[in-house]
Amino acid sequence: NAGVMQNPRHLVRRRGQEARLRCSPMKGHSHVYWYRQLPEEGLKFMVYLQKENIIDESGMPKERFSAEFPKEGPSILRIQQVVRGDSAAYFCASSPRGTGANEKLFFGSGTQLSVL
Amino acid sequence: TQLLEQSPQFLSIQEGENLTVYCNSSSVFSSLQWYRQEPGEGPVLLVTVVTGGEVKKLKRLTFQFGDARKDSSLHITAAQPGDTGLYLCAGGHYGGSQGNLIFGKGTKLSVKP
Repeated sequence: NAGVMQNPRHLVRRRGQEARLRCSPMKGHSHVYWYRQLPEEGLKFMVYLQKENIIDESGMPKERFSAEFPKEGPSILRIQQVVRGDSAAYFCASSPRGTGANEKLFFGSGTQLSVL
Repeated sequence: TQLLEQSPQFLSIQEGENLTVYCNSSSVFSSLQWYRQEPGEGPVLLVTVVTGGEVKKLKRLTFQFGDARKDSSLHITAAQPGDTGLYLCAGGHYGGSQGNLIFGKGTKLSVKP
């Protein structure tokens, strides 16, 4: 049973370009979460999605960032017009259910975004 | 703003020693999770505690949730080089979407043979 798959593992973009990060959840999981980890900082929640729905986007920057989880295919985190401050490790996690204090999150290996 | 403070930030010990790392907050959490993260990888869940005063054991690791659900500790007995990694605590809060966890910055543990 494959775990959470993220690609690419490393992504280099120049300032002003777009970055697309992909996440395929574990088989049977319909809840996806995106977190960002800056150097020397903890993981920060960005967005929580179910299939075709955004449930909680309270951690998403208001501009340039968007996320989707279509009926078919992986979840996509999209960053438009990247800036140097967007350089970070972006982690995706999935869970079989979205509620309950004991809910387990399974994280992918992350995408390291570097903005030149 | 809810914050989780982890201490110490860095810990370097010899194989066979015992250690405790802490996770503290002024806020109450409905649950608290501990993860271990290795360089270049995502966090891996070790344990979830949900009841104040709860103690859980995972081989040489002992996790405790404070009575008031504001703090937690992780104790490792007879540490081994394989325990090296970044230990993160994460709190889940009442009324929020469960995936919206508050993470501490972590304790970076190095166990030397």
